[in-house]
Amino acid sequence: EDKVVQSPLSLVVHEGDTVTLNCSYEVTNFRSLLWYKQEKKAPTFLFMLTSSGIEKKSGRLSSILDKKELSSILNITATQTGDSAIYLCAVEAGAGNMLTFGGGTRLMVKP
Amino acid sequence: ETGVTQTPRHLVMGMTNKKSLKCEQHLGHNAMYWYKQSAKKPLELMFVYNFKEQTENNSVPSRFSPECPNSSHLFLHLHTLQPEDSALYLCASSRGVGTVEKLFFGSGTQLSVL
Repeated sequence: EDKVVQSPLSLVVHEGDTVTLNCSYEVTNFRSLLWYKQEKKAPTFLFMLTSSGIEKKSGRLSSILDKKELSSILNITATQTGDSAIYLCAVEAGAGNMLTFGGGTRLMVKP
Repeated sequence: ETGVTQTPRHLVMGMTNKKSLKCEQHLGHNAMYWYKQSAKKPLELMFVYNFKEQTENNSVPSRFSPECPNSSHLFLHLHTLQPEDSALYLCASSRGVGTVEKLFFGSGTQLSVL
């Protein structure tokens, strides 16, 4: 059975801090790893990673995949209160577009 | 706005009620999905439709009945639910199934079963 584990479960930081969120997976026939941000209800897409070692960057957010270690990290630098959300990691494996989600990391950024 | 609209936003129902959740996507996608998000549990895939045909039923109890009349609309019919079915039900769409594609999610229906 495919498995995706995120850590930490929750995190409280202050504005300006840098955070690193972790995602590890055990799946058969890995295809891609995706990061989503869920602020209220609708998860919104952040990154899709398919190749190991290539960093994807969007503003203060960046992510990288390590296929050898079966993991990915999501970095957020100079955090802002608007970064407060649940960050979801999902892995697509096997045929089709069936994503297996991790339990998420709840990030709270205090002023 | 993700292009995927779900109604209602909130729903409270008794265990003997019958209700339906609706999802509509305006992205021209061909695949639609139902996910369940319970407290303290990962998002769980329930159903997948590709070009209106159901391609995945993730061992979901028969009290949940999906319907996909066309590629833009997806329904989830609910009957004789249990309190443990209370959760956020998220609809998603993607261009297709079988290729590496990102999902676009709706805002969900928060369901409470009394």
